[in-house]
Amino acid sequence: TQLLEQSPQFLSIQEGENLTVYCNSSSVFSSLQWYRQEPGEGPVLLVTVVTGGEVKKLKRLTFQFGDARKDSSLHITAAQPGDTGLYLCAGYNQGGKLIFGQGTELSVKP
Amino acid sequence: DTAVSQTPKYLVTQMGNDKSIKCEQNLGHDTMYWYKQDSKKFLKIMFSYNNKELIINETVPNRFSPKSPDKAHLNLHINSLELGDSAVYFCASSQELLAGLSGPFFGPGTRLTVL
Repeated sequence: TQLLEQSPQFLSIQEGENLTVYCNSSSVFSSLQWYRQEPGEGPVLLVTVVTGGEVKKLKRLTFQFGDARKDSSLHITAAQPGDTGLYLCAGYNQGGKLIFGQGTELSVKP
Repeated sequence: DTAVSQTPKYLVTQMGNDKSIKCEQNLGHDTMYWYKQDSKKFLKIMFSYNNKELIINETVPNRFSPKSPDKAHLNLHINSLELGDSAVYFCASSQELLAGLSGPFFGPGTRLTVL
């Protein structure tokens, strides 16, 4: 069974701090996705990483796909209260189903 | 606005009742999904339809029955509701069965509370 494990599960930081969220698996994924979900809304896709070792940047967010395509990380620089939300990593398993990690709940306090 | 929409947004009901959640997408996508998000925020796929045909049916009790009258709609009917059915249910759609780089587009969710 392909599983995605995210860490940490909860993260509470002050505005201006940096943080990293990890998404790990023992299985190889052809691609991994990161979503952000705000309270009362559905997840919204932030990025898809496809190539091992790939780094993508989205303003203050940096996404990395591990060389072996088994893990990914999301780094946020100088976090702002607007970054608060649930961050989910996801990938397609061998059965073609999109499976999700448990999520990381980020709270950025002003 | 182009989107995935769900009704109702909130649903509070008694154990044993039957209820339905409706979903519509006007993105012109071929594939639609139902996901369930539990109290720990874990999101798991329940069903997937491609062009009105059931493709993915996870290990879901057969009290849950999806119905796709056309490509743009995928409704979820739940019989004999149980306390454990309380969760947020998300409808989603994608152009292809494997949504690939763009990922599925999710609706706003329906929060179901069974008392």
